[in-house]
Amino acid sequence: DAGITQSPRYKITETGRQVTLMCHQTWSHSYMFWYRQDLGHGLRLIYYSAAADITDKGEVPDGYVVSRSKTENFPLTLESATRSQTSVYFCASSGTGDAKNIQYFGAGTRLSVL
Amino acid sequence: AQSVTQLDSQVPVFEEAPVELRCNYSSSVSVYLFWYVQYPNQGLQLLLKYLSGSTLVKGINGFEAEFNKSQTSFHLRKPSVHISDTAEYFCAVSERSGGGADGLTFGKGTHLIIQP
Repeated sequence: DAGITQSPRYKITETGRQVTLMCHQTWSHSYMFWYRQDLGHGLRLIYYSAAADITDKGEVPDGYVVSRSKTENFPLTLESATRSQTSVYFCASSGTGDAKNIQYFGAGTRLSVL
Repeated sequence: AQSVTQLDSQVPVFEEAPVELRCNYSSSVSVYLFWYVQYPNQGLQLLLKYLSGSTLVKGINGFEAEFNKSQTSFHLRKPSVHISDTAEYFCAVSERSGGGADGLTFGKGTHLIIQP
């Protein structure tokens, strides 16, 4: 019963490097989401996906790219990392019907951009 | 678009005392309402949700919340807190029209500190 897993849990990178954060869920949930958590801002939606090959921008998408070739995976890529992208990133998923209203979160990835 | 305001960034409470964490929201459409809890170095866990029906909803760990449409509030309460309740609490909303599929809008969080 793995649920939703994020990797890596911690990542340090340098400005300008490409970084990919992984998210994998074992529930076959249709919907998946990426949020970033920053002090004083709570969690803000970066991107979301309703199904494989269907993605849409959230509140703060600039500087990020997502893909969803398989239902269970939803990687988030920072194409050229900046210091302002230092944050904790959370992936979440939800099912269909009434269950799509309930999001389940991974443990998060703490990213530091130096 | 919607927004969520958690009026208190930090709430210190003595153990076994009651607590209320306040949440107000703003939206031009009907919303679903949620409370999540985050323990240190962990992800978010759903405490309770209001989708429809009774405005008083009960969640896990003895928490409950009341939806007040006229005051656009969804305050979280617990009659007697424990040390283990120390955590960050987030109020969140999603639009009914999207069915919850287009993401949650979160408040900035309230840090609940339980003092022995």
